[in-house]
Amino acid sequence: DIQMTQSPSSLSASVGDRVTITCRASQGISSFLAWYQQKAGKAPKLLVFRVSRLQSGVPSRFSGSASGTDYTLSISNLQPEDSATYFCQQFYSSVRTFGQGTKVEIK
Amino acid sequence: EVLLVESGGGLVQPGRSLTLSCTASGFTFGDYPISWVRQAPGKGLEWVGFIRSEAYGGTTEYAASTKGRFTISRDDSKSITYLKINSLESDDTAVYYCTRDQEFDRSPLDYWGQGTLVTVSS
Repeated sequence: DIQMTQSPSSLSASVGDRVTITCRASQGISSFLAWYQQKAGKAPKLLVFRVSRLQSGVPSRFSGSASGTDYTLSISNLQPEDSATYFCQQFYSSVRTFGQGTKVEIK
Repeated sequence: EVLLVESGGGLVQPGRSLTLSCTASGFTFGDYPISWVRQAPGKGLEWVGFIRSEAYGGTTEYAASTKGRFTISRDDSKSITYLKINSLESDDTAVYYCTRDQEFDRSPLDYWGQGTLVTVSS
């Protein structure tokens, strides 16, 4: 199975900051990658797919990029409502896998 | 409005079987693959498996950790997907989410249910 290594596991930042979260795939996944946001006690929500395409309704301060097998989610102008856990997922393989998650806290 | 509603969770003894249901509405159910994802308490997301639409054979794929004990099926006439878990183990304790794949193949999970909690304990 394709392994997705996500880092960091947690981070703390201030309102207005820019934060980045990275997922490294154990093999090429041809940009078949998505990012999800999960707030406490809620189901996850699709944010970004195919590396950089924003799901409908997602604020433009969220963005995605890729370099080789490294995929990055960036949040610019961090807002209090961005406090959540973020997961990456590859859907290149018929056996899909998630990263371990990154908890984003607002200072 | 796309809705996915899971049911069937609860407290189950180790070794027993359980079938979870996911009832969909708001879209043409038969056109979409459906995936199941679980989340153990305080842990991350784990992809369980998915079932393709009948147009693509209605075939299934499973994570290595669930293959053999987990079975996903669908009834397009009722817009329901099922997840049957045999020989339940304590490690199966989790919230189980039903999700819709965005399109027929290689796609993200664009809609999620609210989840149903399965607790495996004697």
